Amino acid sequence: EAGVAQSPRYKIIEKRQSVAFWCNPISGHATLYWYQQILGQGPKLLIQFQNNGVVDDSQLPKDRFSAERLKGVDSTLKIQPAKLEDSAVYLCASSSTDGPNTEAFFGQGTRLTVV
Amino acid sequence: ELKVEQNPLFLSMQEGKNYTIYCNYSTTSDRLYWYRQDPGKSLESLFVLLSNGAVKQEGRLMASLDTKARLSTLHITAAVHDLSATYFCAVDMSSNQFYFGTGTSLTVIP
Repeated sequence: EAGVAQSPRYKIIEKRQSVAFWCNPISGHATLYWYQQILGQGPKLLIQFQNNGVVDDSQLPKDRFSAERLKGVDSTLKIQPAKLEDSAVYLCASSSTDGPNTEAFFGQGTRLTVV
Repeated sequence: ELKVEQNPLFLSMQEGKNYTIYCNYSTTSDRLYWYRQDPGKSLESLFVLLSNGAVKQEGRLMASLDTKARLSTLHITAAVHDLSATYFCAVDMSSNQFYFGTGTSLTVIP
């Protein structure tokens, strides 16, 4: 079974530029998450989708971050304009809503450096 | 606001020794997960604990959950170098929303 795919793996941009990340979840997983992990910290939930609807985006800085999940499968996370403090690893995860084991499976992440 | 705290944050232990990592959380939940993260890598699921009193074991690691105390433990038995990593607990609040702890960076030294 293929895992969660993310691209790109690494991105370096200047502040005030824009950037987009892409995620393809595990096939059949209805729930998709974007997390931000700053170096030395635990992942912080940015947004959670159930199919193509947003369940929770309370921690998403909506003045600069946006995310969409068209057709309930792939998702993109965009930052515009980027700030220095956005430097982090952006992790995409997915989980199934079927059965009791609803653990989240994570992709490799995109390491963003804003200079 | 949900708080998920782990201690210790850093742990250096000798091979062959035993130790326990603690995960405390501030609100009611009966689902807790443990993940492992190697440097520069993503998170790997270790244990899924779905009820009070749940205990899971895999190799030298054993996890338990006490929902009344809002506490989970990850016990390491006879540590080996391969266990060096950062360990995170994550609490499922509702609707499959996972909130992660601060992480425990474990180094096993010969």
